[in-house]
Amino acid sequence: DARVTQTPRHKVTEMGQEVTMRCQPILGHNTVFWYRQTMMQGLELLAYFRNRAPLDDSGMPKDRFSAEMPDATLATLKIQPSEPRDSAVYFCASGLRTDNEQFFGPGTRLTVL
Amino acid sequence: QQQVKQSPQSLIVQKGGISIINCAYENTAFDYFPWYQQFPGKGPALLIAIRPDVSEKKEGRFTISFNKSAKQFSLHIMDSQPGDSATYFCAARLEGAGSYQLTFGKGTKLSVIP
Repeated sequence: DARVTQTPRHKVTEMGQEVTMRCQPILGHNTVFWYRQTMMQGLELLAYFRNRAPLDDSGMPKDRFSAEMPDATLATLKIQPSEPRDSAVYFCASGLRTDNEQFFGPGTRLTVL
Repeated sequence: QQQVKQSPQSLIVQKGGISIINCAYENTAFDYFPWYQQFPGKGPALLIAIRPDVSEKKEGRFTISFNKSAKQFSLHIMDSQPGDSATYFCAARLEGAGSYQLTFGKGTKLSVIP
């Protein structure tokens, strides 16, 4: 049963702390997306990778957010320093370049106090 | 700039009724229009999708109607069931350059009551 996995599922931290969220895309998928979901803004695309190379991170606040793919089985999203306004659910999704469907993980619910 | 506008924000439908969710887009370069379904505590999952060269697509109780000239598309859920209660997102993909980025509407929370 292939699925996208994300860790941690829940994270509570204090303002100013570093937060790292991890995603394991479905094996064989070559595109990875990071989204942020809030009640006010809905689903926002933060960053997008193909074949581990970042293609678009224009949705990400560059001063505090960074996204990487150290290898094909791991994508990371890091926030340093975190702020209360970063509180949201962060989703990772993966897909195939030749297909349209994006498969979402279960999300990481981040609360910054 | 919100490129995909979705309405209503929330919807309550009686079991067996028809649920209708509408979306409007601005960019005529969008070439793929999926609907995603999200249950509480889960990630969104693809429900049904359409391309602009067809006006309607049906899969079981779910139908997308697409009006290219009006730049609108809608999701119809026939014989709505309590298990359909979820948040539904329309989305649109920008054509070209191998881009697979989706722009999502803000979602519609559907509640189907017995």
